[in-house]
Amino acid sequence: NAGVTQTPKFRVLKTGQSMTLLCAQDMNHEYMYWYRQDPGMGLRLIHYSVGEGTTAKGEVPDGYNVSRLKKQNFLLGLESAAPSQTSVYFCASRGFNQPQHFGDGTRLSIL
Amino acid sequence: RKEVEQDPGPFNVPEGATVAFNCTYSNSASQSFFWYRQDCRKEPKLLMSVYSSGNEDGRFTAQLNRASQYISLLIRDSKLSDSATYLCVVNVFPGGADGLTFGKGTHLIIQP
Repeated sequence: NAGVTQTPKFRVLKTGQSMTLLCAQDMNHEYMYWYRQDPGMGLRLIHYSVGEGTTAKGEVPDGYNVSRLKKQNFLLGLESAAPSQTSVYFCASRGFNQPQHFGDGTRLSIL
Repeated sequence: RKEVEQDPGPFNVPEGATVAFNCTYSNSASQSFFWYRQDCRKEPKLLMSVYSSGNEDGRFTAQLNRASQYISLLIRDSKLSDSATYLCVVNVFPGGADGLTFGKGTHLIIQP
């Protein structure tokens, strides 16, 4: 049982480039989340989804887009990367009233 | 007022000692409470859920005080491997789908 899988693990981008982070879960969870974690800031929610075909904004959504075309996948897109988006990105999923399970993160650097 | 608040520490504790830290939450209607552990540069991992009657898992004891709106984590006979950041997690808005609210964490360092 793989749980929550994030790809890629590491990436370096130049300012203005675009990329997509993929999150996949095999636990049939309805809810999925994207967070970023920066030193001293804790986890901050970017976007989340309550089911296939639905997405919603979290605390820090600007500069990001998401899609949930399939229940098991939640994609996070950066259309035009900025240095302020250098961070560690975590995906998580959960069932109703259950704790969240996290992927092992994507370390993204924007030069 | 912050929704979930923790003392960031660090707590420097000798190996074998007992350490405890608290976390306060803002919404008295919160229903679910958890402690997560996060090692440096790794993902948060569920340590234990926190039940109303309190619960224990080996050397770890979690308690909930609804009247004062805080949860606590007690670690007995601390090991070097307990060094980590401990995140307090609360569903501050029950029924909300935007997930759980994470505290910023308490950094624990167990010293030999």
